[in-house]
Amino acid sequence: ETGVTQTPRHLVMGMTNKKSLKCEQHLGHNAMYWYKQSAKKPLELMFVYNFKEQTENNSVPSRFSPECPNSSHLFLHLHTLQPEDSALYLCASSPGTSGGAVDETQYFGPGTRLLVL
Amino acid sequence: AQKITQTQPGMFVQEKEAVTLDCTYDTSDPSYGLFWYKQPSSGEMIFLIYQGSYDQQNATEGRYSLNFQKARKSANLVISASQLGDSAMYFCAMRDVGAGSYQLTFGKGTKLSVIP
Repeated sequence: ETGVTQTPRHLVMGMTNKKSLKCEQHLGHNAMYWYKQSAKKPLELMFVYNFKEQTENNSVPSRFSPECPNSSHLFLHLHTLQPEDSALYLCASSPGTSGGAVDETQYFGPGTRLLVL
Repeated sequence: AQKITQTQPGMFVQEKEAVTLDCTYDTSDPSYGLFWYKQPSSGEMIFLIYQGSYDQQNATEGRYSLNFQKARKSANLVISASQLGDSAMYFCAMRDVGAGSYQLTFGKGTKLSVIP
């Protein structure tokens, strides 16, 4: 059982395509995250939204564009990607507080496996 | 410098036996949180257990317990009575104030295989 859903689960796209990943959380949380998981590398945080405001962007290339229309939905818009962008993209959510807390648990969705040809 | 180190790329355990997955961390902050997640082949990261730096007792959640040794900066996950469904990747993660309030730093993971 998961309170965080992601669509699509699998995506194959060419380098000139434009696609979007969608994440929805049903946990009543206020913070949402995008992570990238590449083979043999630790999970990398890409973006953080807290109360719909982007609070962190970890030097992510502009070909990745996040959007957070409300606290329940998070999108990752993709355009002109490179083959090295092929990875598992995970969305997560957490309760969200004004200053953050070390004990705030993040809950993850099932991920989107992206292959860029 | 690596903040979370998981030295065991892969582990095998016999069904119904206990197994310990190692995790060491590095931080200079007095306040931090340590998390363990399980990732089956399906991809989803499943939260297992949390330990706070000020917690006096080791955390436990069902068959999962955390062997927290603060002076050694280790937070090993112990799974008792292993089941076939425990076969998965296991990730140790930490959040400390110095890293920014929202950033979880993950280790590279340990692949656990439970043998029938």
